[in-house]
Amino acid sequence: GAGVSQTPSNKVTEKGKYVELRCDPISGHTALYWYRQSLGQGPEFLIYFQGTGAADDSGLPNDRFFAVRPEGSVSTLKIQRTERGDSAVYLCASSANQGNEQFFGPGTRLTVL
Amino acid sequence: AQSVTQPDIHITVSEGASLELRCNYSYGATPYLFWYVQSPGQGLQLLLKYFSGDTLVQGIKGFEAEFKRSQSSFNLRKPSVHWSDAAEYFCAVGPRVSSYKLIFGSGTRLLVRP
Repeated sequence: GAGVSQTPSNKVTEKGKYVELRCDPISGHTALYWYRQSLGQGPEFLIYFQGTGAADDSGLPNDRFFAVRPEGSVSTLKIQRTERGDSAVYLCASSANQGNEQFFGPGTRLTVL
Repeated sequence: AQSVTQPDIHITVSEGASLELRCNYSYGATPYLFWYVQSPGQGLQLLLKYFSGDTLVQGIKGFEAEFKRSQSSFNLRKPSVHWSDAAEYFCAVGPRVSSYKLIFGSGTRLLVRP
């Protein structure tokens, strides 16, 4: 079956602009996660959704970052007033439920010029 | 503080040789332990995981890992490396209470010599 998909695969933007990154989880998976992977580093947890609600957003670096999952399926990570330090690969993962194996998407590479 | 250390940034082995990738963790209690592989343009793929029980865990693609509580280590091994194993490998830990919040090491890039 289809895995986790993320769009776009690459996004180049200018400093100060707004971006949206989309994640389509595996069908039926109730849990969804966002991670950020900077160059040469492992992924860092950003936020976890169980259904439509953000169960843990403690990893979001500041209030410029926001994520939604209005219907409990697709999720959008939104970044306002982008900064060069936001450049990274943003990974999405989903699992059948909390604690189950997380399946990762290929990521969106964000470059802020 | 909770952390995962992968001391080797790069490792190069010859095809057919054995492989061991090191992972040490710092945690308040025994966490859940994972190894993931990331190939260029691909998502992270779970190789194996340790939750409890037998400390030697078998995974996919011929990989295994051994949990050593006394050393806070979870090293990944493979007896004979194939060229297709060239990739980046990440060790991760997750708390038993809220195991969704994975903490990853910085990764080890494996290069395979023909």
